Amino acid sequence: ETGVTQSPTHLIKTRGQQVTLRCSSQSGHNTVSWYQQALGQGPQFIFQYYREEENGRGNFPPRFSGLQFPNYSSELNVNALELDDSALYLCASSPGAGNTGELFFGEGSRLTVL
Amino acid sequence: KQEVTQIPAALSVPEGENLVLNCSFTDSAIYNLQWFRQDPGKGLTSLLLIQSSQREQTSGRLNASLDKSSGRSTLYIAASQPGDSATYLCAMDNNAGNMLTFGGGTRLMVKP
Repeated sequence: ETGVTQSPTHLIKTRGQQVTLRCSSQSGHNTVSWYQQALGQGPQFIFQYYREEENGRGNFPPRFSGLQFPNYSSELNVNALELDDSALYLCASSPGAGNTGELFFGEGSRLTVL
Repeated sequence: KQEVTQIPAALSVPEGENLVLNCSFTDSAIYNLQWFRQDPGKGLTSLLLIQSSQREQTSGRLNASLDKSSGRSTLYIAASQPGDSATYLCAMDNNAGNMLTFGGGTRLMVKP
């Protein structure tokens, strides 16, 4: 059974650029959630995908968007990058949107915006 | 809107001490509360999950309690070890959908 994997692990972008982060969910999990964690803070919920549809969204602007594919892997896209987007982006998968508590996190993608 | 606060933000203790980490929340209508551990630059590992109907959970040297009426949870670590050094985060699920609200974390350093 493979865990949650994220790519890339680190990347550097400049302000105004666009970025795509990727996440492969744990085997058998159909729900993927994305979190943003700024340095020294707790993670903040961005959105969740369940069976290829957005299932919930936190307080993030529309330039944060996502996709989920038929194999339940997911992408997080951020357009028009701002300096404050520099953070660790965490992906978490779970067996189903209603299976509370069974949440497994990846190691994250560290984004630096210059 | 749920707000979660963790105090202290950082804590340094000598090895062998018993310690308590605190988490407070404003909305008691939670489905569950979790405590996570995060090593520097890494992802999160779930330590303990307390369902809304439960008062506490134990795993090894860790014990987590939940008091919804006062909006508080504590994580008790017995006989702390240097390997316990990490950031500890509490998080709650208010809508049974695994969309968690996290506190800011407590950064723990256990000195040999």
